[in-house]
Amino acid sequence: KAGVTQTPRYLIKTRGQQVTLSCSPISGHRSVSWYQQTPGQGLQFLFEYFSETQRNKGNFPGRFSGRQFSNSRSEMNVSTLELGDSALYLCASSSAGHTGELFFGEGSRLTVL
Amino acid sequence: AQSVTQLGSHVSVSEGALVLLRCNYSSSVPPYLFWYVQYPNQGLQLLLKYTTGATLVKGINGFEAEFKKSETSFHLTKPSAHMSDAAEYFCAVSKGGSQGNLIFGKGTKLSVKP
Repeated sequence: KAGVTQTPRYLIKTRGQQVTLSCSPISGHRSVSWYQQTPGQGLQFLFEYFSETQRNKGNFPGRFSGRQFSNSRSEMNVSTLELGDSALYLCASSSAGHTGELFFGEGSRLTVL
Repeated sequence: AQSVTQLGSHVSVSEGALVLLRCNYSSSVPPYLFWYVQYPNQGLQLLLKYTTGATLVKGINGFEAEFKKSETSFHLTKPSAHMSDAAEYFCAVSKGGSQGNLIFGKGTKLSVKP
């Protein structure tokens, strides 16, 4: 069974640009969550999607958005990039009834210059 | 509100020695607790979880953790460290009502000396 796939793995952007990150969950998993990981703040929850609906959202500004498609693939978008958005963005999928049992991708490392 | 505190950002042990990584939690509801491991340049992998029932939980790679409600702790242990255990370990608590929303501790980086 293929794991969680995130693309791209690495990217460099400049301030003010926008970025879209993609996540393909494990086949059969309908829940997808996104996390931001930085050395200073650690792992912080961004949002969670289930069956194309956002179920939960973390404490991030509106520049951070996401969506989920009918095949459970998910994207997140960050607009008007700031230097502080440099981070590892991790996507995780899970199956119904398995609270907290997350399968993580390897992440997309974003550097904002 | 839930929160997690991991004591010690870095822990160093010798190969073959006991590994003890500390985690204390705060939760207003019965917690679901987890330990995840992250190897360099990789995502996180679930080591073990506590939901209900037996308070001593066994996970992968010889790790185990004990839920102690009276101490609000969920410390991770392994009797004998291997070089391959060197990684960063995260304790997490589930935010009530959410399948994918975990509150993570700051992490403990484990080094294993030969």
